[in-house]
Amino acid sequence: GENVEQHPSTLSVQEGDSAVIKCTYSDSASNYFPWYKQELGKRPQLIIDIRSNVGEKKDQRIAVTLNKTAKHFSLHITETQPEDSAVYFCAASRTGTASKLTFGTGTRLQVTL
Amino acid sequence: NAGVTQTPKFRVLKTGQSMTLLCAQDMNHEYMYWYRQDPGMGLRLIHYSVGEGTTAKGEVPDGYNVSRLKKQNFLLGLESAAPSQTSVYFCASRWTSAGSQYFGPGTRLLVL
Repeated sequence: GENVEQHPSTLSVQEGDSAVIKCTYSDSASNYFPWYKQELGKRPQLIIDIRSNVGEKKDQRIAVTLNKTAKHFSLHITETQPEDSAVYFCAASRTGTASKLTFGTGTRLQVTL
Repeated sequence: NAGVTQTPKFRVLKTGQSMTLLCAQDMNHEYMYWYRQDPGMGLRLIHYSVGEGTTAKGEVPDGYNVSRLKKQNFLLGLESAAPSQTSVYFCASRWTSAGSQYFGPGTRLLVL
C-alpha cells in the first residue's frame, strides 16, 4: 500500500517568513495530493490540492509543488501570519473504486511574532 | 447544507460497553471514511465505504464494525470498548474517488 512520509514534524518561523513542509510517497500510481490544516480541537480542513498532471498550484499565500519523478510534493506558505499556526497534513491517493487517502503524520507549524 | 456531521460530540464509556457513532452527509457523496486520530499518529483509516451497501477495511479495523445502509449515513460500531480505543474519531466523505474529501467535526471518545 501507499506510504507517506512528512517532514519536519515541527516547524517554527517568525511572522512574515516563509514555511516549507515536504512529503514523499511510495506508490507511483498515486495521482491526487491534498493538504489539510488542523487547528487545535478542530477538524482537518482542505486548504489546497494538486493532481499529477500539474506541477505547481497557487492560492494566494499558499502553493504546492509536485515532483512525480522523485515522488515528493511540498507545501509553501509565504508571508506567514499567526493564524497560520496549526498542524498541517499531507496525503496521497490514487483514483479508482478502492480510493482512500493515506496521510502523513503531520507538521506542527508555529508562527511567532 | 450542513456538510458532514457526527453524533455524538463526546462520549465516555466503560471497558466492555458498546456504542455506535453516526456520520451523516448531505452532499450526495459516494465515498465515506472513518478515521481515528491519536497524538503523534496522524489520521489512521479504520473502515471505508465506496457506496451504499458497501464497506471495506482500512489500516486499523480490529475492534470496529461499520454499516452503510443509506447513502447519506455511515455508522461506526464498537462492540466491546477497550481503553486503547480512546481517541478522536473523524468521519469524512468525498463525491468521487478523485474528489475533494471533507471531514466531520469529530467525536471524542474516552474509554475507562
